[in-house]
Amino acid sequence: NAGVTQTPKFQVLKTGQSMTLQCAQDMNHNSMYWYRQDPGMGLRLIYYSASEGTTDKGEVPNGYNVSRLNKREFSLRLESAAPSQTSVYFCASSLVWARTSGNTIYFGEGSWLTVV
Amino acid sequence: KQEVTQIPAALSVPEGENLVLNCSFTDSAIYNLQWFRQDPGKGLTSLLLIQSSQREQTSGRLNASLDKSSGRSTLYIAASQPGDSATYLCAVRSNTGNQFYFGTGTSLTVIP
Repeated sequence: NAGVTQTPKFQVLKTGQSMTLQCAQDMNHNSMYWYRQDPGMGLRLIYYSASEGTTDKGEVPNGYNVSRLNKREFSLRLESAAPSQTSVYFCASSLVWARTSGNTIYFGEGSWLTVV
Repeated sequence: KQEVTQIPAALSVPEGENLVLNCSFTDSAIYNLQWFRQDPGKGLTSLLLIQSSQREQTSGRLNASLDKSSGRSTLYIAASQPGDSATYLCAVRSNTGNQFYFGTGTSLTVIP
């Protein structure tokens, strides 16, 4: 059972370059998320997709774009990378946003991005 | 905006000790609260989830409690082991949106 899979695991970019982080989940979850994790700042939500076809900004969306390609896949794009975007990026997914029991959130293993 | 705080930021204990990790949140209108474990270089693994209507959840040596009215949760780890060394994060799910708010975590080291 793969759960949440994100690629690449490591990437070094030069300032101004673009790249896309890929994420896929095989749990038939409706909601998907992109977080970044920085030392001392915890996990901060970049964008989320409550369901297929919808995306919404989170706490720190500037400099990023997302695409919910289908129910399984949610990609994060950096159009013009900046050193401030050096971080660890986590994709996550959860069941429908509804008052159902459980509703835990599952995380991928993370993508380490360095912008020089 | 919901703010989640975890104290202490780091904790070091000898093996076998019982310990408590703390999590506090500013807005009591939560749907649930989760405790996660994060090992270095890895993603987050869910340990326990407490619904807003519940007071506690237990799994093995772990017990999580929730006092929604005071905005607090604790994670109790009994008879700690070196394998428990990791960062522990708590997250609350908003009652009105599809967002999870995370604390900055407590880094736990259990010394053999």
